Amino acid sequence: AQSVTQLGSHVSVSEGALVLLRCNYSSSVPPYLFWYVQYPNQGLQLLLKYTSAATLVKGINGFEAEFKKSETSFHLTKPSAHMSDAAEYFCAVSDQGDKLIFGTGTRLQVFP
Amino acid sequence: DGGITQSPKYLFRKEGQNVTLSCEQNLNHDAMYWYRQDPGQGLRLIYYSQIVNDFQKGDIAEGYSVSREKKESFPLTVTSAQKNPTAFYLCASSTTGTGDTEAFFGQGTRLTVV
Repeated sequence: AQSVTQLGSHVSVSEGALVLLRCNYSSSVPPYLFWYVQYPNQGLQLLLKYTSAATLVKGINGFEAEFKKSETSFHLTKPSAHMSDAAEYFCAVSDQGDKLIFGTGTRLQVFP
Repeated sequence: DGGITQSPKYLFRKEGQNVTLSCEQNLNHDAMYWYRQDPGQGLRLIYYSQIVNDFQKGDIAEGYSVSREKKESFPLTVTSAQKNPTAFYLCASSTTGTGDTEAFFGQGTRLTVV
């Protein structure tokens, strides 16, 4: 079965610093991978997705992620954090064509 | 505007009562999902449906029931058999197919059982 592991339940950065949120996947077939963001008491919003077209995927709000097959990773990055980036971020993998399997999430805090 | 509507946003129920959470979508999506979110556990799949009049259990279906009588609607009933029902519940929908399409989420329902 497919699965994803997010390393670090909490990440804290200063405003303007690099954001790096880690996600490793386990899949017996080439995966479809997703990053979602959730603001407090809200639903999830898609940041970006990997569907094998390109290994470096650019998303909304300046985020991007790189698919590395050799490392089974799909880490999310942003060069310069903004206060509005504070939220919870979820990595997900598509299982059996339809279902999304989510990681446990990483809460990002941004300090001024 | 197209989207997914969950209602109510907050719900309080007494222990032992069944309660039904509403989820409606006007995106013309075939697939719909219910997830449960607890702190530190991410989202766990309760039930999903890929077509009208058909649905499958997810990873934590015990104590829950669903129906899919219309394409637009996928209500979730939390029964008295659910041991710890207090949680944030999220409904989602997507087109079915090859797995590369994202899911769209509602705003969630926070259920508190007292």
